[in-house]
Amino acid sequence: DIVMTQSPDSLAVSLGERATIHCKSSQSVFWNSNSQNYLAWYQQKPGQPPRLLIYWASTRASGVPDRFSGSGSGTDFTLTITSLQADDVALYYCQQYHTTPPTFGQGTKVEIK
Amino acid sequence: EVQLVESGGGLVQPGGSLKLSCAASGFNFSASPMHWVRQASGRGLEWVGRIRSDYATTYDVSVEGRFTISRDDSKNTAYLQMSSLKTEDTAVYYCAYPSGTGWYDYWGQGSLVTVSS
Repeated sequence: DIVMTQSPDSLAVSLGERATIHCKSSQSVFWNSNSQNYLAWYQQKPGQPPRLLIYWASTRASGVPDRFSGSGSGTDFTLTITSLQADDVALYYCQQYHTTPPTFGQGTKVEIK
Repeated sequence: EVQLVESGGGLVQPGGSLKLSCAASGFNFSASPMHWVRQASGRGLEWVGRIRSDYATTYDVSVEGRFTISRDDSKNTAYLQMSSLKTEDTAVYYCAYPSGTGWYDYWGQGSLVTVSS
């Protein structure tokens, strides 16, 4: 299985500041045939299912504010929240869908400083 | 609007069985794969398995041989039959629909399964 490792486990950011979450896969999730990285990001709030934020490593899902962006390729990826809002307090997960079984990172908790 | 509504969770003793349902609407269910993902309290997300539109199934090794995913296209419903349950199977179980290549853009509300004596 591909192991997804996120860092940090938690971070506290002031309102309006930038939050950066890293995700590293144990093997590349890049597919040469379509030049895509098979990597998604989710946001989860307490008592709710995860919400898709990003797929193909950098494509925002429908309705996701543009303060959320994804980047990276191969094995190293980043989710950036520019200008953190109070509503962004949540757990964030990366997921690879390159290989079965799909696997998730352990999660990163984002809080307000 | 895509909707996934789960039912069937509850308390079950170790070694027991339970069946979850996931009623889908708003998309072409019979042509779509359906997945199950679980989350133990305070833990991360763990893929359980999937059923394709051709009824082929794949499971995580942790549940292989104990869990069975099925579907009834006439009812637009997917099922997760869980048997020989262990305490470590205690989790919220989500059904999820990947409308694209493998990301999950639609999730059920989750169904809590508690395995305890």
